[in-house]
Amino acid sequence: DAGITQSPRHKVTETGTPVTLRCHQTENHRYMYWYRQDPGHGLRLIHYSYGVKDTDKGEVSDGYSVSRSKTEDFLLTLESATSSQTSVYFCATLRQGRQYFGPGTRLTVT
Amino acid sequence: QKEVEQNSGPLSVPEGAIASLNCTYSDRGSQSFFWYRQYSGKSPELIMSIYSNGDKEDGRFTAQLNKASQYVSLLIRDSQPSDSATYLCAVILPVENSGGSNYKLTFGKGTLLTVNP
Repeated sequence: DAGITQSPRHKVTETGTPVTLRCHQTENHRYMYWYRQDPGHGLRLIHYSYGVKDTDKGEVSDGYSVSRSKTEDFLLTLESATSSQTSVYFCATLRQGRQYFGPGTRLTVT
Repeated sequence: QKEVEQNSGPLSVPEGAIASLNCTYSDRGSQSFFWYRQYSGKSPELIMSIYSNGDKEDGRFTAQLNKASQYVSLLIRDSQPSDSATYLCAVILPVENSGGSNYKLTFGKGTLLTVNP
């Protein structure tokens, strides 16, 4: 357990509104990741970070942005939410080859 | 395109049987391989890691790696109903142009295993 929390755990929002999901970790892990998980698609990487202010795009980054101003926090922002972004979002860290996952955020865009 | 492929299942086995889960990967540069278990509505949890060719055993779980065939498998002996979950295969790769200092995991889509009492 890497002490990863995500907030909010559940959110319902309307199309076109901005949404920010927060990931917080207490273990000082360098690498942090945002995934989305959808039926039939498994876990897909959105963005990742390998240090403060160092981020990069994953395979499904369109429509998402991230920021990491502190080691312990990694924010995922949907600038203008769309129904296709309805999903479960997992934050994760990586240390010594092992990935630790947060509890997930279930986001519904109506 | 770097990919990790798994049969989506569902795989159904009777209690006490051996469950065999398979995974293939496309990038020969892959060095580390992982199996995660995910219960419905929960986050994935690591159950096995394997780095070199051959078998690695941990309790009822055995991971097998064959780099020449780009194949990794997970065997679950004496399967229990509590093993019913989705099993995700994952491969760690260095990020391109990072000089080997940054890493990311690529996951398969997962195999749903059901163990019937």
